Amino acid sequence: AQSVAQPEDQVNVAEGNPLTVKCTYSVSGNPYLFWYVQYPNRGLQFLLKYITGDNLVKGSYGFEAEFNKSQTSFHLKKPSALVSDSALYFCAVRGWAGKSTFGDGTTLTVKP
Amino acid sequence: DAGVTQSPTHLIKTRGQQVTLRCSPKSGHDTVSWYQQALGQGPQFIFQYYEEEERQRGNFPDRFSGHQFPNYSSELNVNALLLGDSALYLCASSPDRGGGEKLFFGSGTQLSVL
Repeated sequence: AQSVAQPEDQVNVAEGNPLTVKCTYSVSGNPYLFWYVQYPNRGLQFLLKYITGDNLVKGSYGFEAEFNKSQTSFHLKKPSALVSDSALYFCAVRGWAGKSTFGDGTTLTVKP
Repeated sequence: DAGVTQSPTHLIKTRGQQVTLRCSPKSGHDTVSWYQQALGQGPQFIFQYYEEEERQRGNFPDRFSGHQFPNYSSELNVNALLLGDSALYLCASSPDRGGGEKLFFGSGTQLSVL
C-alpha cells in the first residue's frame, strides 16, 4: 500500500520569505513523487515531480522540492514567496501501474 | 489545444438517483483516471481506464462504474446515490498509464446529493 502525509494543514509566510510545505510518503519500490497546486473551484495543476536522479527537483513558478530517501520525505520549497503563491498544495505518490495517492493538502497563505 | 474537459460543472441529485459524469482527455492522452475529492480532503483514486478497460480500482463500491470510449473519452456512473457521495469529481488524463507521468486534471464536476 502507498500513502502520503502532509503534517501541516496550514502554512503562513510573509511575502519575500522562504517557504516550505512538508510531505512524507510510504511506497513499495522506487517512488514517483509529485506536487500539485489547486486554486479555488479548479482542478489540480502539476508543479514538479521526482522520478530518479538529482535529489533537488526544480519545477514551475520557482518552486523546487527536495527528495530525501532516508527520511522518506519530499518537501516543497521556494526561496522567496509571493502573494500569488497562496493556494492549496497536494503531495502525491504514484505507483508503477499509475495509481496516485494524494495527501490531504496544505493551505499556503502568503501575506503582503 | 484543449486540456481535460469535464461536464457538467455542477449537478444536484437526490438520494437513490443515478448520475453520469463525462470527461474528454487532453489531446494525445489515452489514459483516464477518476478521483473523488471531498471537502477538505485530497483526491481519492476511484479507477483508471486504458484501452477501454478498467485497469486499476481504488477502494470504492460497485455503485461506482465507468466506461472508456474508442476516442479515449470516459464516463463515471454512480448508482443509488448517498449523501456521502457529495464531492468534487475530478478526471485526469496522461499519455501513459505508467507511474512516472504527470496527470492533467479537469476542473471537475461538483456533485451535491440532497
